[in-house]
Amino acid sequence: DVKVTQSSRYLVKRTGEKVFLECVQDMDHENMFWYRQDPGLGLRLIYFSYDVKMKEKGDIPEGYSVSREKKERFSLILESASTNQTSMYLCASSPPDWPQHFGDGTRLSIL
Amino acid sequence: DAKTTQPTSMDCAEGRAANLPCNHSTISGNEYVYWYRQIHSQGPQYIIHGLKNNETNEMASLIITEDRKSSTLILPHATLRDTAVYYCIVSREETSGSRLTFGEGTQLTVNP
Repeated sequence: DVKVTQSSRYLVKRTGEKVFLECVQDMDHENMFWYRQDPGLGLRLIYFSYDVKMKEKGDIPEGYSVSREKKERFSLILESASTNQTSMYLCASSPPDWPQHFGDGTRLSIL
Repeated sequence: DAKTTQPTSMDCAEGRAANLPCNHSTISGNEYVYWYRQIHSQGPQYIIHGLKNNETNEMASLIITEDRKSSTLILPHATLRDTAVYYCIVSREETSGSRLTFGEGTQLTVNP
């Protein structure tokens, strides 16, 4: 089975901190994605990556950056966390032209 | 990608078939219908997808109407563990690895 692992299930940080969310997949998938999920807004795509060192902006990239130095790892970075970035963050991976597989999410609270 | 419309919530008795409808009247010829579900406190789980023909796997069946404007996900013998939010998504397969737009989905509650 595909395993997408997010480093933390719950995380609490303070406004202005730099926050790193880590995601690792074990299936050698080329594609990796970061979404956030908020009540009433569904899942929204933040960034995705087709390959190592490649990244593409999704629908809501503002306030975020990403890093993909190795194929199996995709990191989401909140450069200066703000309270409106309190959310559930979901990572996914997939091979080309095949459905995405998701991790169980990180519930991030910014105080 | 085409927009989808799903009922907000549905109930089903345990052991009975759960039929979840989805309307996608603006679907174009190269767009696939995907179904995912999300159990509380977990990430979305892929269920099934199809283009024109009906599809079946170990989890569910997908029935797509001939005009492709709507589809139905069928869970043949629902269990309590099938209680979840079910998402119907339309996307071009070549971009399925890039962009899936999740709406609010249908909250399915399976009752004992």
